[in-house]
Amino acid sequence: DIHMTQSPSSLSASVGDRVTITCRASQSISNYLNWYQQKLGKAPKLLIYAASSLQSGVPSRFSGSGFGVDFTLTISSLQPEDFATYYCQQSYITPQTFGQGTKLEIK
Amino acid sequence: QVQLQESGPGLVKPSQTLSLTCTVSGGSISSGDSYWSWIRQPPGKGLEWIGYIYYSGSAYYNPSLESRVTISIDTSQNQFSLKLSSVTAADTAVYYCARHSSTSSYFDYWGQGTLVTVSS
Repeated sequence: DIHMTQSPSSLSASVGDRVTITCRASQSISNYLNWYQQKLGKAPKLLIYAASSLQSGVPSRFSGSGFGVDFTLTISSLQPEDFATYYCQQSYITPQTFGQGTKLEIK
Repeated sequence: QVQLQESGPGLVKPSQTLSLTCTVSGGSISSGDSYWSWIRQPPGKGLEWIGYIYYSGSAYYNPSLESRVTISIDTSQNQFSLKLSSVTAADTAVYYCARHSSTSSYFDYWGQGTLVTVSS
């Protein structure tokens, strides 16, 4: 299985901050990397697919980058509704695997 | 807009079989561009892909669960189902059904999730 490691596991930030979350794959996954946002008690929501493509309807303050093993999710200016848990997911091979999550909290 | 809805018992006894159904609306489950998936999340933990099925009936499972999992599809009812046998407390989780785009390789539509507790 491909192991996905996110860092940090938790992060405190303020409204308006720029935030970056990283995800590292245990082997190269090309650009088969997706990012999801999950709010408490809700299903995950797709934000970014293919490492850097913004899903329809997702605000442009979200962006993704990376290729191979190292990837990043950046939120350019945090909004109150962005406080949630974020997961990366590789779709390069089955079993598809997720990172352990990064919980973004209000400072 | 595709919508998915899980249904099934919220409580299962240890050693028994967990059975859930996902009903798809707003689109055909026979669409050739989708794999229909099950994903679970233990309370307070991360996400685990269980497996998915194509409309043809071809199914793919996570090797960690493969010996206990069966995913089936009923195109006439626009539903697909999950069976997980010999459950233990470790199988307590929120179970999500989701659509996996076969062309773009991501999970784009999700059900709301259903909590299944394994307890006697």
